[in-house]
Amino acid sequence: QKEVEQNSGPLSVPEGAIASLNCTYSDRVSQSFFWYRQYSGKSPELIMSIYSNGDKEDGRFTAQLNKASQYVSLLIRDSQPSDSATYLCAVSIYNQGGKLIFGQGTELSVKP
Amino acid sequence: GAGVSQSPSNKVTEKGKDVELRCDPISGHTALYWYRQRLGQGLEFLIYFQGNSAPDKSGLPSDRFSAERTGESVSTLTIQRTQQEDSAVYLCASSLKWNEKLFFGSGTQLSVL
Repeated sequence: QKEVEQNSGPLSVPEGAIASLNCTYSDRVSQSFFWYRQYSGKSPELIMSIYSNGDKEDGRFTAQLNKASQYVSLLIRDSQPSDSATYLCAVSIYNQGGKLIFGQGTELSVKP
Repeated sequence: GAGVSQSPSNKVTEKGKDVELRCDPISGHTALYWYRQRLGQGLEFLIYFQGNSAPDKSGLPSDRFSAERTGESVSTLTIQRTQQEDSAVYLCASSLKWNEKLFFGSGTQLSVL
């Protein structure tokens, strides 16, 4: 089992819809969780970080964490074509010196 | 500097040659990471530095790969006897301390012919 797993997509949603991106992780002692966005040919940039169970909202983005189920998700409300990118889930593996492991990424396409 | 700087931005080399990739993190950032990203793939963890020491080297693909960091600043990733499968974008990132937001450099595109 991979340490961090995501559906590769592509996930296609119409403009204005809610995009839901999911991520599961294998290490129960993981402490910190991040969502990065990567446009084609560019480097990743941080969208959200979440450390506690529950929801965390920032503008159109909501991160959800469920440590019991080892599951973290990202919701994008009112999706825009400019949101089209690859979304990378990253998990900090606390008992391995804090290394940050990324999932394979989910490609999101928002159609006008 | 204002951001994470990587050099060179592009490197074309012949199979069997050694290459050295450089990363200048944001000043004051104690944590530094190297990742490899093959075309259309996710980020593959290579190595992580906390200060000048590397708590985890388990991601280095083979003994041809090595990395060091000096002065809690610049880091170099060296690949000896390059192979075609080493072709990828090598990304460096730094953070103020571990467990915090990563700032990525623009990467080095390595092509091994």
